[in-house]
Amino acid sequence: EDQVTQSPEALRLQEGESSSLNCSYTVSGLRGLFWYRQDPGKGPEFLFTLYSAGEEKEKERLKATLTKKESFLHITAPKPEDSATYLCAVQRGGADGLTFGKGTHLIIQP
Amino acid sequence: ETGVTQTPRHLVMGMTNKKSLKCEQHLGHNAMYWYKQSAKKPLELMFVYSLEERVENNSVPSRFSPECPNSSHLFLHLHTLQPEDSALYLCASSQDSPGLYSYEQYFGPGTRLTVT
Repeated sequence: EDQVTQSPEALRLQEGESSSLNCSYTVSGLRGLFWYRQDPGKGPEFLFTLYSAGEEKEKERLKATLTKKESFLHITAPKPEDSATYLCAVQRGGADGLTFGKGTHLIIQP
Repeated sequence: ETGVTQTPRHLVMGMTNKKSLKCEQHLGHNAMYWYKQSAKKPLELMFVYSLEERVENNSVPSRFSPECPNSSHLFLHLHTLQPEDSALYLCASSQDSPGLYSYEQYFGPGTRLTVT
């Protein structure tokens, strides 16, 4: 059975204080690992797809990396508008559904 | 309209009612999904449709009945629900790929369902 574990559950940072969120996964035949951002009362917003160990992707203050067992979402010099719940998910391929972690609730204080 | 839309955004229903949730995608995708998001739990996959055929049913109770009349529309028919079915119901779409890699799924804003 596919499993995704995210840590920490919640994280409070000061504006400009960089940190990393962790996503550990167990999946048979990983086809893709996905990061999403979810704001309260809204659907998840797609951020990144990672396909193979060693791959990295960046978007503004966010950088996602992937190893064979885990993925990290690095947040550099965050701003209050980066406050959200960040979700990690894995997929075995094709039109398979995603298996999600519980998410990390991130709060950036001004 | 752009992206994935869902109606209604909020729904309150009694345990004996019948209602339907609607999802429409404007992205030209050929796969659509229903997920359930409950407090303190991860998003849970309910149903997958690819090319309008159901390809996965994650052991969902029969009081939830999906329908996919074409690649742009997806419905979730609800009847005799239980209070524990109260949750945010999210629709998503993607391009189905038979190849090695997967395409990202795009989500709608969700329908907040309350069963009384």
